[in-house]
Amino acid sequence: DVKVTQSSRYLVKRTGEKVFLECVQDMDHENMFWYRQDPGLGLRLIYFSYDVKMKEKGDIPEGYSVSREKKERFSLILESASTNQTSMYLCASSFEGGRVEKLFFGSGTQLSVL
Amino acid sequence: TQLLEQSPQFLSIQEGENLTVYCNSSSVFSSLQWYRQEPGEGPVLLVTVVTGGEVKKLKRLTFQFGDARKDSSLHITAAQPGDTGLYLCAGAPYGNKLVFGAGTILRVKS
Repeated sequence: DVKVTQSSRYLVKRTGEKVFLECVQDMDHENMFWYRQDPGLGLRLIYFSYDVKMKEKGDIPEGYSVSREKKERFSLILESASTNQTSMYLCASSFEGGRVEKLFFGSGTQLSVL
Repeated sequence: TQLLEQSPQFLSIQEGENLTVYCNSSSVFSSLQWYRQEPGEGPVLLVTVVTGGEVKKLKRLTFQFGDARKDSSLHITAAQPGDTGLYLCAGAPYGNKLVFGAGTILRVKS
């Protein structure tokens, strides 16, 4: 059974803390993505990566960074958490090639910044 | 402004009823996808449509891609409580990354 695993289901952090969200996939996918999901706004792409040590900004990268040291692992970093970063964070992966990108999602991490 | 507009935002119906959810845009897409997300889980891909006018069926779910490749619909026949969830459409504008609509929350009451 293929899986995208996010390390935490729920996180509560304080304003100004450095936050790490971890994501691991076991499907040997080249592509990995971080989205945030907010009511009424759908999923918005923060960062994505097509290869190890490679990263590309998505639509809302401000306040975030990422790290991809190994193919199976993609980390999202909030350098200094702020209350407007309270959200559901979803990691996804897809394989390279083919006409249409098909995303496989993790279960999400609900982050609350107080 | 969302590139993909979904309607309705929320739908509450009785078991056995039929329903249609819409996904509309002024942009042309190379493909459109529908995902379902259950509470506490990530979205799961239901279907991808790639040809204008294409119709795909998945049991009681019927998906259609508009002739002009700007819109799509999801029709559910005889809805069941297990159909409850958030339905998201996602499209790939030519040469660009997937964009998602805001979603339709469906609640099917028994």
